Amino acid sequence: LAKTTQPISMDSYEGQEVNITCSHNNIATNDYITWYQQFPSQGPRFIIQGYKTKVTNEVASLFIPADRKSSTLSLPRVSLSDTAVYYCLVGDLNQGGKLIFGQGTELSVKP
Amino acid sequence: DADVTQTPRNRITKTGKRIMLECSQTKGHDRMYWYRQDPGLGLRLIYYSFDVKDINKGEISDGYSVSRQAQAKFSLSLESAIPNQTALYFCATGTGGTDTQYFGPGTRLTVL
Repeated sequence: LAKTTQPISMDSYEGQEVNITCSHNNIATNDYITWYQQFPSQGPRFIIQGYKTKVTNEVASLFIPADRKSSTLSLPRVSLSDTAVYYCLVGDLNQGGKLIFGQGTELSVKP
Repeated sequence: DADVTQTPRNRITKTGKRIMLECSQTKGHDRMYWYRQDPGLGLRLIYYSFDVKDINKGEISDGYSVSRQAQAKFSLSLESAIPNQTALYFCATGTGGTDTQYFGPGTRLTVL
């Protein structure tokens, strides 16, 4: 059962690049790695997903090393509005697998 | 996401009462999920459904039941609510494959 471990909190300043690393030592072969963003009193919002190597979209990049035991979410040039909790999610419900959210990383972006 | 709606948004009830939380989606997704979130914690999966005839237990299904009335509707019931079921409940939808999910706005449930 893949369990994820993330830093509980991180601080940054506007305009900086932020990297949040998630550890998932027991990741299974079929598991994808997905990151979500959650603002207070709102549902999580999908940011990015990957299986291996690097994935980039309009808001973030996801770096996954060859052994897939960790992943790093990279947010370029953060702004105050990026202050939120970021969750790493590993798993695969297909064929009876599991899907486990970690406790999340609370990112605080300061002026 | 306005494509996934949850009703009610807030509910206060008493111990022992039966409660139903409803979720509707216009995204046309086959998969639907129910999660609960407790303060300072991540989300925990209660039940999920891959299509109308498919229901699966998640990590914490005890004390809960679900009904998938149609592709667009997935209801969560608490047969006899207890105080430790006080939490924020989220419904989500997904297209399958890689389990990318789209969440509703949540229902805040308080059991006194």
